[in-house]
Amino acid sequence: DTEVTQTPKHLVMGMTNKKSLKCEQHMGHRAMYWYKQKAKKPPELMFVYSYEKLSINESVPSRFSPECPNSSLLNLHLHALQPEDSALYLCASSQEQSVLPNYGYTFGSGTRLTVV
Amino acid sequence: AQTVTQSQPEMSVQEAETVTLSCTYDTSENNYYLFWYKQPPSRQMILVIRQEAYKQQNATENRFSVNFQKAAKSFSLKISDSQLGDTAMYFCAFNPTFGNEKLTFGTGTRLTIIP
Repeated sequence: DTEVTQTPKHLVMGMTNKKSLKCEQHMGHRAMYWYKQKAKKPPELMFVYSYEKLSINESVPSRFSPECPNSSLLNLHLHALQPEDSALYLCASSQEQSVLPNYGYTFGSGTRLTVV
Repeated sequence: AQTVTQSQPEMSVQEAETVTLSCTYDTSENNYYLFWYKQPPSRQMILVIRQEAYKQQNATENRFSVNFQKAAKSFSLKISDSQLGDTAMYFCAFNPTFGNEKLTFGTGTRLTIIP
């Protein structure tokens, strides 16, 4: 299995809703990432998990809450989002940084989030 | 901190022609990896090709090849015999070999292959 699977593919939520994005990989990768991508822009890093521990939080607002229940799963819990949070949310995984050579990240196909 | 620059926001080329996308980067690291990712309208970021900085030989993957100039900090992507399926956004990306888990992306080049 060489894929990163993200669900759902599309999500529309109100500003008072609570929802979660899910990401799963079975490649044995020990680093997992959440990125946010606006239209026609490069992905922006949000969070990095390494060996199921949060290693990087790029000053993301607390209305985004990541969770890594095990080495294969990564969740992003959403609460009280704003319309400007509407974007494509990409999950990625990779071998842990100290493992060489670096074969790059494997990305999922993303969740298109619309906040209304 | 690393920066990656792609100076061509958009490009178009006739099918079957060759096109070159440019990328420059700035870093004080000596050991790193460079990548080209493709993002078609289907949204998924797909790894096209990777280059290890300590290797002088330019990487090739079928119709895709790079021109890696470490001293000039340049990493261009050449697509030969372009196909309609090559239409996509292309991102150049930088990753240090050690210590930093961040993948730094350029701003992207939107490539359109014209039938």
